[in-house]
Amino acid sequence: DIQMTQSPSSLSASVGDRVTITCRASQSITSSLSWYQHKPGKAPNLLIYAASTLQGGVPSRFSGSGSGTDFTLTISSLQPEDFATYYCQQNYSPPLTFGGGTKVEIK
Amino acid sequence: EVQLVESGGGLVQPGGSLRLSCAASGFSFRIYSMNWIRQAPGKGLEWISYMTSDTRTIHYAASVKGRFTISRDNAKNSLYLQMNSLRAEDTAIYYCARSVNYAFDYWGQGTLVTVSS
Repeated sequence: DIQMTQSPSSLSASVGDRVTITCRASQSITSSLSWYQHKPGKAPNLLIYAASTLQGGVPSRFSGSGSGTDFTLTISSLQPEDFATYYCQQNYSPPLTFGGGTKVEIK
Repeated sequence: EVQLVESGGGLVQPGGSLRLSCAASGFSFRIYSMNWIRQAPGKGLEWISYMTSDTRTIHYAASVKGRFTISRDNAKNSLYLQMNSLRAEDTAIYYCARSVNYAFDYWGQGTLVTVSS
């Protein structure tokens, strides 16, 4: 199985900050990586797929990069509505696996 | 508008069974692969099962293989998860999600399953 390791597990940031979350796969997954935002009591929301393609309706302050085993999600200027938990997920091959999550909290 | 609505969750004793349903609307359900994903209290997301539109390909996570069965009825725009031999560690919110190339582009709001005596 492909293991996904996210870091950090949590971070505190202020509105307007640039935030970077990293995700590492235990083997190459080419560009088969997605990022999700999850708020308590809500359905998770797909932000980015194929490592760097923005899902429709997602603000352009979100961006993704990477390929192979190392990936990054960047929020260029953190907004109040961005405080949530973020997950990476490999969609290279089943069993489909998620990273452990990164909780973005208000500083 | 794409909508996925889960139902069937509740309290069940260890060793018991439960059947979850997911009603889909707003898209051509019959042409999409579907999934079940769960989140245990205080934990992250865990994918547990996948089924193609034609039901020919099914995958399960090791944690549920042999106990859970995914199915679908394309005529009723519905996805199901039959859960047998339930354990305390199966306690979670269960989400159904549509997938494209194994990425989950739409999710339901989830249904809570609690396994406890």
